[in-house]
Amino acid sequence: EAGVAQSPRYKIIEKRQSVAFWCNPISGHATLYWYQQILGQGPKLLIQFQNNGVVDDSQLPKDRFSAERLKGVDSTLKIQPAKLEDSAVYLCASSSSRVSSYNEQFFGPGTRLTVL
Amino acid sequence: AQSVTQLDSHVSVSEGTPVLLRCNYSSSYSPSLFWYVQHPNKGLQLLLKYTSAATLVKGINGFEAEFKKSETSFHLTKPSAHMSDAAEYFCVVTPDNYGQNFVFGPGTRLSVLP
Repeated sequence: EAGVAQSPRYKIIEKRQSVAFWCNPISGHATLYWYQQILGQGPKLLIQFQNNGVVDDSQLPKDRFSAERLKGVDSTLKIQPAKLEDSAVYLCASSSSRVSSYNEQFFGPGTRLTVL
Repeated sequence: AQSVTQLDSHVSVSEGTPVLLRCNYSSSYSPSLFWYVQHPNKGLQLLLKYTSAATLVKGINGFEAEFKKSETSFHLTKPSAHMSDAAEYFCVVTPDNYGQNFVFGPGTRLSVLP
């Protein structure tokens, strides 16, 4: 089966600009996650969707970050305006079950964002 | 609340020698635990998972981990390192009754010397 797809793979922008990332999860996976991975750290959850509804966005900086998952499939994550500290790899993951605690999350290759 | 400590930020071993990557966790509930590996410019890949069944868990590529509740540890081992094992390794905890709230450790970078 095809894996989680993300684009672009790399993005360089200047601070105060806007940027958007796209994710296509594994077909049939109801749950989708966006993580931020700063260099030298483990990934940190930004937002979790169940179908097209938000389950957890407690760590999403809502003054500048937004995400949507229209139709419960693809998702976009937007940053507006970007700050220097937003430089990171943005990972998208998906999983297939809603309530199981044993789910594997399948990760995409990530988008590496550099803010100058 | 859950947290994960990976005691070594960098481990270096020679090819053919054993690998030990240490992980300690804190969880208010009986946790599920995972190890993921991240090769450069690649996505995270699941190595193995503990889900309250057998305490010794076998994963892919010869890796295994043992869940020790008394020590709150979930160390990753491999008897003989291969050059292709060089990567970043993440220990992950999730509380059993919430399911999918992954908390990642900071990672351990494994170097394998020829």
